[in-house]
Amino acid sequence: EVQLLESGGGLVQPGGSLRLSCEGSGFAFRTYAMAWVRQAPGEGLEWVSVISGSGTTTDYADSVKGRFTVSRDHSKNTLFLQMNSLRAEDTAVYYCAKGVRPVIAQNLFDSWGQGTLVTVSS
Amino acid sequence: EIVMTQSPATLSVSPGERATLSCRASQSVGSNLAWYQQKPGQAPRLLMYGASTRATGIPARFSGSGSGTEFTLTISSLQSEDFAVYYCQQYNNWPPWTFGQGTKVEF
Repeated sequence: EVQLLESGGGLVQPGGSLRLSCEGSGFAFRTYAMAWVRQAPGEGLEWVSVISGSGTTTDYADSVKGRFTVSRDHSKNTLFLQMNSLRAEDTAVYYCAKGVRPVIAQNLFDSWGQGTLVTVSS
Repeated sequence: EIVMTQSPATLSVSPGERATLSCRASQSVGSNLAWYQQKPGQAPRLLMYGASTRATGIPARFSGSGSGTEFTLTISSLQSEDFAVYYCQQYNNWPPWTFGQGTKVEF
């Protein structure tokens, strides 16, 4: 059974940084692209970032480009999202999601973690 | 960026009734369209991909149709556990992967 467990969320001041983690189990972690998707309180879903299975290709939503960095550690089966220069509008539940193929092209996200809440406020 | 528009925003139905949800893309996405179900406090769950293929474990009362820019998710006979928010998502043109704003199915 695929399991994704996010951690690292919390309260941070505007301009601060936070690093989210997502540990995967029950599947060949390095074989699949992974993504981060967020959901602001009471709002819909917004794709944030994606990384290929090899970790060599990444992409970001315009709203986070230059501030967020996605990476993965295959030795720990863990996906990361480094978030810098945080803004109030980054407040959301952040979900990690597993792709169905190793490349990011036309990928589909078939399993999601339970999410971790990030609150940016002074 | 492809904009996904769902209608209606809220659908009021009774258990046992049929529910029809619509999703429109601002340009063609072929059949690269997925549907997700989200219940309060839970993560989204993949229901449908390729516009009409049910994901693993999804009951047959859920069906999807459409291609290009117009898509439909149908729940043939609503069960109590089906009351939730449903999102469509295109994965044909990226980045970004884009979602509709959601349709809430309520009693």
